[in-house]
Amino acid sequence: DIVMTQSPLSLPVTLGQPASISCRSGQSLVYSDGDSYLTWFQQKPGQSPRRLIYKVSNRDSGVPDRFSGSGSGTDFTLKISRVEAEDVGVYYCMQDRQWPYTFGQGTKLEIK
Amino acid sequence: QVQLVQSGAEVKEPGASIKISCKASGYTFTNYYMNWVRQAPGQGLEWMGGINPSGTTTLYAQKLQGRVTITRDTSTSTLYMELSSLRSEDTAVYYCARDHCDYWGQGTQVTVSS
Repeated sequence: DIVMTQSPLSLPVTLGQPASISCRSGQSLVYSDGDSYLTWFQQKPGQSPRRLIYKVSNRDSGVPDRFSGSGSGTDFTLKISRVEAEDVGVYYCMQDRQWPYTFGQGTKLEIK
Repeated sequence: QVQLVQSGAEVKEPGASIKISCKASGYTFTNYYMNWVRQAPGQGLEWMGGINPSGTTTLYAQKLQGRVTITRDTSTSTLYMELSSLRSEDTAVYYCARDHCDYWGQGTQVTVSS
């Protein structure tokens, strides 16, 4: 199984300031089609996860452009350019290059 | 619009089995892989297994091998997950998710308690 490691696990951020979450995979997430299958989710309390970013840097429909994904190979980053109150929640990375899909531990973003 | 609607909350005794459903609508069910993911209280997300579009191929998380079965009924566009020999550690919210987890069901709370 591909191990996914996120950091930090807790992220206090001041409103309006940027935030960054790192995700590292235990092996390359590049598939035979040349794409890297790294996905980011946001989960708010009591809600189902919501996909934000797929294939490293593609934003899902309706996701604010303050969210961006980057990286390659085994190192990936989710950035929020200016944190808003509604961004509070837990963020997970997931590799969907192959089954079994595996998730990072989650990063809890809170407002300082 | 794509919707995945799951069956309701369940309470089971240890040793029992459970079967959860996930009814899909708003897209062609037979074109997509499907997954089950669970989340224990206060914990992260855990992939349980998946099934291919035709229902002929499944893969399960190693820790659940032998206890979990995922099936799909193409005539009703419904995905199922059956988990047997329930134990307290299976208490969790169970989610169905389409393909590369672009859409999720609302979750089904399963509580295992005597």
